[in-house]
Amino acid sequence: DGGITQSPKYLFRKEGQNVTLSCEQNLNHDAMYWYRQDPGQGLRLIYYSQIVNDFQKGDIAEGYSVSREKKESFPLTVTSAQKNPTAFYLCASTSRPPTSLRGEAFFGQGTRLTVV
Amino acid sequence: AQKITQTQPGMFVQEKEAVTLDCTYDTSDPSYGLFWYKQPSSGEMIFLIYQGSYDQQNATEGRYSLNFQKARKSANLVISASQLGDSAMYFCAMSSSDTGRRALTFGSGTRLQVQP
Repeated sequence: DGGITQSPKYLFRKEGQNVTLSCEQNLNHDAMYWYRQDPGQGLRLIYYSQIVNDFQKGDIAEGYSVSREKKESFPLTVTSAQKNPTAFYLCASTSRPPTSLRGEAFFGQGTRLTVV
Repeated sequence: AQKITQTQPGMFVQEKEAVTLDCTYDTSDPSYGLFWYKQPSSGEMIFLIYQGSYDQQNATEGRYSLNFQKARKSANLVISASQLGDSAMYFCAMSSSDTGRRALTFGSGTRLQVQP
C-alpha cells in the first residue's frame, strides 16, 4: 500500500544528543514537509522540500536540519541546538505541482520525541 | 502572512446531531485553498474536505460540508449526524498561491467530543 512511513514511533533523547527522525514515502510525491506539534496546539512548519536536493526553512527551523537526497526520503535531524525538542513530529507529502493549490497533504503516523 | 484562527478549543455534541466547527482565516493572496483535517488520539492527520477560493459552491464530502463565506473569511466545517468515532481534534488549514512556499498553515484546532 502507498503511504508515508515515519520511524520510530517513540524516541527518547538525552540532553545534548542529536537524533534523526525517518520519513519515507512511496507515493511518488515531489513535495515533502516536516511539522512540529506541541500539546493542544496546531502544526508548525519546520522544513519543506519541493524537489530532490533542495529544501527550505519553515517557521521554526532553528535547531533542526534536513536532507533530501532521494525523492522517497526526507529525514529530520533534531540537533542539540534545539532547546525544547519534546514534541510530536509529523512528516507529510503532496503531489500537487507548485501552481496548484489543491491536493491534500498525506501524513505519516508521527514520531513522539521526548528529552530525558 | 497567512493566519488561521479556530476560536473553539473544545466542543461537545450529542450523537446523531449536527455540529459546526468555526474557522476564520486571513490572507492577502487572491488565490488560496482551505482544508479540514481530523486528528484522532492516535495522532495521524486525516484529510476531510477542501475548498478553493474561487469555487462557486460549498464543498461537501459525505457527512462533511464546508460553509465557505469568502467576504467574512470564514470556512466552517459542518458535521452532520455525529458519530462516536467523530471524537477527535479538528484542524483548519490553508494553502497559498505563493509559489515560494507550498506548505499548509494550520489553526490551533478544536477538540470535538461526541456524547452518546
